[in-house]
Amino acid sequence: DAGVTQSPTHLIKTRGQQVTLRCSPKSGHDTVSWYQQALGQGPQFIFQYYEEEERQRGNFPDRFSGHQFPNYSSELNVNALLLGDSALYLCASSLGRNLWLDTFGSGTRLTVV
Amino acid sequence: GQQLNQSPQSMFIQEGEDVSMNCTSSSIFNTWLWYKQDPGEGPVLLIALYKAGELTSNGRLTAQFGITRKDSFLNISASIPSDVGIYFCAGQRPSRRGANSKLTFGKGITLSVRP
Repeated sequence: DAGVTQSPTHLIKTRGQQVTLRCSPKSGHDTVSWYQQALGQGPQFIFQYYEEEERQRGNFPDRFSGHQFPNYSSELNVNALLLGDSALYLCASSLGRNLWLDTFGSGTRLTVV
Repeated sequence: GQQLNQSPQSMFIQEGEDVSMNCTSSSIFNTWLWYKQDPGEGPVLLIALYKAGELTSNGRLTAQFGITRKDSFLNISASIPSDVGIYFCAGQRPSRRGANSKLTFGKGITLSVRP
């Protein structure tokens, strides 16, 4: 039973570019959340997707957007990358919006140069 | 915004010792969670607490949900080398419309265990 899988594992982008990160939830899970974890910090909630809609959003600018597909997988898009967007991006999944016992993936390490 | 305070940033203990970490907030939470993160991995849930005053164990780990709902502690007994890692507390507050809200994480405590 595969857990949460994320791709790619590492990525280097240039400032101003756009990036798309991908996540497949754990089997049986229907809700996907995205977190940003800067070096030396705890994860910061970006947003949550359920039934292909954004349901909750943290304090992140509109440059951060996402999508959930009918198979529950999800993408995180970041436009106009800034150096400060360099971080580990974690995807987490759970069953149902009200169950926040998220299972986390190993993350995508994004470096903006 | 809501913040969870974890200190110190790092802890160094001898193998076999017990260690206690706490997490405090100025806001009330209705769920407290403790996670461990190893290098290159995502956080893994250790213990979840749902009720003020609740004391829950998971092997050598024990955690408590503070009676004021503004704090929680995690205790690790008889530490072993594989306990090394970063320990995060996280809290959840109820939102409107009955759905639970996002998790707020602390900054984490890096635990080192000397053999």
